[in-house]
Amino acid sequence: DADVTQTPRNRITKTGKRIMLECSQTKGHDRMYWYRQDPGLGLRLIYYSFDVKDINKGEISDGYSVSRQAQAKFSLSLESAIPNQTALYFCATSTSGTFGTQYFGPGTRLLVL
Amino acid sequence: GESVGLHLPTLSVQEGDNSIINCAYSNSASDYFIWYKQESGKGPQFIIDIRSNMDKRQGQRVTVLLNKTVKHLSLQIAATQPGDSAVYFCAENSGGSNYKLTFGKGTLLTVNP
Repeated sequence: DADVTQTPRNRITKTGKRIMLECSQTKGHDRMYWYRQDPGLGLRLIYYSFDVKDINKGEISDGYSVSRQAQAKFSLSLESAIPNQTALYFCATSTSGTFGTQYFGPGTRLLVL
Repeated sequence: GESVGLHLPTLSVQEGDNSIINCAYSNSASDYFIWYKQESGKGPQFIIDIRSNMDKRQGQRVTVLLNKTVKHLSLQIAATQPGDSAVYFCAENSGGSNYKLTFGKGTLLTVNP
């Protein structure tokens, strides 16, 4: 969905390196999310943000941090990457309504060597 | 704990046939359900949603059925086409505020010409 963009689309890094994944959206949504997807495990929530000043941990936040620079931008950082963080990472957005559907970006494929 | 699961991890159908993808959920308090389609190399794409006060909802070639008695959700695709080949996920909102979606692991649908 071109309304939600992620950069980079692919990244290879080494253990111990710091990396940042970026997400931008033009949907005007207040809420943004970061997920990781692993084979056989489905999508798991890392962090979510209801607005610029509201950031919350998801079920697997250890080893990750986030920054909500603006309503439209939400970045995910791996301070010291490790091999088991190799995964597909997705950003998503939604409205603040009770039944707001989440819309996903195209994903970032990360390989940690 | 809360979980969303799928009865069949893979489904193979002939082009033109109808497809039915099933999903079981365990949280009777879930009030909103979504079906997503994920094609290879892309992010999950919203297909259709349904609220818990409904039993059925129809879209273009797709129908979602919700049976709250047995906590079962299904996605029906009419006249399945090769372009429908993808992984299909169900997701449930058990948090009430739509910040926490629990995703199933997905069913791979393959459409044979």
